[in-house]
Amino acid sequence: DIQVTQSPSTLSASVGDRVNITCRASESISSWLAWYQQKPGKAPEVLIYKTSRLHSGVPSRFSGSGSGTEFTLTISSLQPDDFATYYCQQYQSYSWTFGQGTKVDIK
Amino acid sequence: QITLKESGPTLVKPSQTLTLTCTVSGFSLSSNSVAVGWLRQAPGKAPEWLALIYWKDDKRYSPSLQSRLTITKDSSNNQVVLTVTNMGPEDTGTYYCAHKSQTVGYYLVFFDYWGPGIRVTVSS
Repeated sequence: DIQVTQSPSTLSASVGDRVNITCRASESISSWLAWYQQKPGKAPEVLIYKTSRLHSGVPSRFSGSGSGTEFTLTISSLQPDDFATYYCQQYQSYSWTFGQGTKVDIK
Repeated sequence: QITLKESGPTLVKPSQTLTLTCTVSGFSLSSNSVAVGWLRQAPGKAPEWLALIYWKDDKRYSPSLQSRLTITKDSSNNQVVLTVTNMGPEDTGTYYCAHKSQTVGYYLVFFDYWGPGIRVTVSS
């Protein structure tokens, strides 16, 4: 299986901050990476797929970049609704695997 | 509007078999390129993909759990069923069914719509 590792595990930030979350794959996954946001007690929701494509309805303050083995999710100006846990998921290779998550909390 | 909803027992005893049903709406399980998957999430952990079934009844399973999983579908009733045998405490968590995005190819699987999840506890 391809392993995906996120960093940091926890990130403390303030409203308005620019936030970067990194996801590293154990081997090249081309651009086949998705990002999800999950709030407590809710199902994950996809934000970005194919590294940088925003899912319908996702605010433009979210963006994604990278290729191969290293990827970044950026929130350009953190909003109160963005405090949540974020997961990356590789879909290059069956079986499809998730990173361990990054919790973004209030500084 | 695509929706999915999980149903089934919320408490099972060790060694029992868990059977969960996902009822979908807004799409047909027999339509070309459609697939539905099951995932689970242990408390405080990342989601884990378990199984996937395609419109033409092709199935994929997590290699680490394959021997314990069975996924089936009933297109006429818009339902996808997951069974997990020999449940243990490590199987406690929230189980989700989810719709595979149709914007990508057959083996490129990420999930664009999820059910709300069902919390399953394994305890005697």
